[in-house]
This record gives sequence, C-alpha cells and structure tokens, in this order.
Amino acid sequence: NAGVTQTPKFQVLKTGQSMTLQCAQDMNHNSMYWYRQDPGMGLRLIYYSASEGTTDKGEVPNGYNVSRLNKREFSLRLESAAPSQTSVYFCASSDDQAGSPLHFGNGTRLTVT
Amino acid sequence: GNSVTQMEGPVTLSEEAFLTINCTYTATGYPSLFWYVQYPGEGLQLLLKATKADDKGSNKGFEATYRKETTSFHLEKGSVQVSDSAVYFCALIHSSASKIIFGSGTRLSIRP
Repeated sequence: NAGVTQTPKFQVLKTGQSMTLQCAQDMNHNSMYWYRQDPGMGLRLIYYSASEGTTDKGEVPNGYNVSRLNKREFSLRLESAAPSQTSVYFCASSDDQAGSPLHFGNGTRLTVT
Repeated sequence: GNSVTQMEGPVTLSEEAFLTINCTYTATGYPSLFWYVQYPGEGLQLLLKATKADDKGSNKGFEATYRKETTSFHLEKGSVQVSDSAVYFCALIHSSASKIIFGSGTRLSIRP
C-alpha cells in the first residue's frame, strides 16, 4: 500500500532551470496539496486541488504552477528556479469527509544554486 | 481567522521523562484537531486526532484532550523513549474549510 509517492527524493538545480515534482496517491482521495517546509517556518501551503480539474492558490504560490493531471496525480512545476525556492517539498492528500487528516509523501529535497 | 500556536522548541528530555507539548488554537465553531509527527528524513504522519470537545486522542502512548474551554490540545506522554525524537506539529481543520492549519512544529530530542 504505497499511499502518497513523490519523485524525485533529491534534486539540485541551477538558478533559472525548470523542473517538475511529481506526486501520486492510490487512496482515491479527491483533495491534494503541495507544501514547502523551511527551517523555523513550519509548513506553508503552495497550491491545493479539491478535485480533478480544479486548483487553487495557497499562502505562497508565486514562482510555482500546478497540474491536477487526473484524480491520482498532482504535479508542481518550477518554471525558473530561484535560490529562495531551496526547500523540502511535501505532497499530501485527503478525502472529503469533514475533519479528515492529510496523508503525506516523504518529500523532495530541492537545492537551487 | 483560524490559527494554531504551539510551544517553541527544541525540547530536550531524558529517557522515561514525562512529556508535555502545549498547543492552543483560535477558531470559530468546532474544528477537528490533530497531532502529526515527523521523523528525520520523512514526511508527516498522523499521530492522533480529536473531532469534538472533550474527546481524547491516543496512539503509541501519546494522548491529547480537546479542551474547548481553554482552546487547547496539549500533547502528553508519560514515559518518553529515544525513538520519540522527532518534530511534532499541532494542526486544525475547520469543517467549513478545505485547508488544514499547522503550528510551527516542536523539535523533541530524547537523551538515553
């Protein structure tokens, strides 16, 4: 039972390069999320998707785009990476029942030089 | 708006000590409350939850009680182990909202 799977686990980019972080869940959840985690700042929501075909901005969307490809997959794209985007990125999913918890992937550690 | 405040770390304890990590929240109505744990190099895992006032969530020897009167959800464990070393996050979700609100996290280190 895989749960939430993120790829890659680690990535190093140069400033200005682009990349896509992949996320897939096998729990048939409608809602999916992308967070970034920085030292001393906890988790900050980048984008979320309440259902296939819909996406909404979170607290810190600038510099990112997302695609909800289907119910299983929710990708995060950095079009032109900046050092300020060095962080650990977590994908999560949840079902629609009130008060349902989030299920997290193991994260992608991204360094932009 | 909704918010979660938890005690700042790091917290360092000796093995078998009693643990309390404080968490208070601000929200209208009756949110659901959670504690998540993050072990080194991993994502967050749900540790326990409570969905209504006076509920007690428990798991792996950890407990937290949903206190509406004090808007608190403090995490406790009677005897901590080295393997409990991790970062702990308090969180809430309101039934009318689609997004979970996290506290800033408390790093816990247990000395053998």
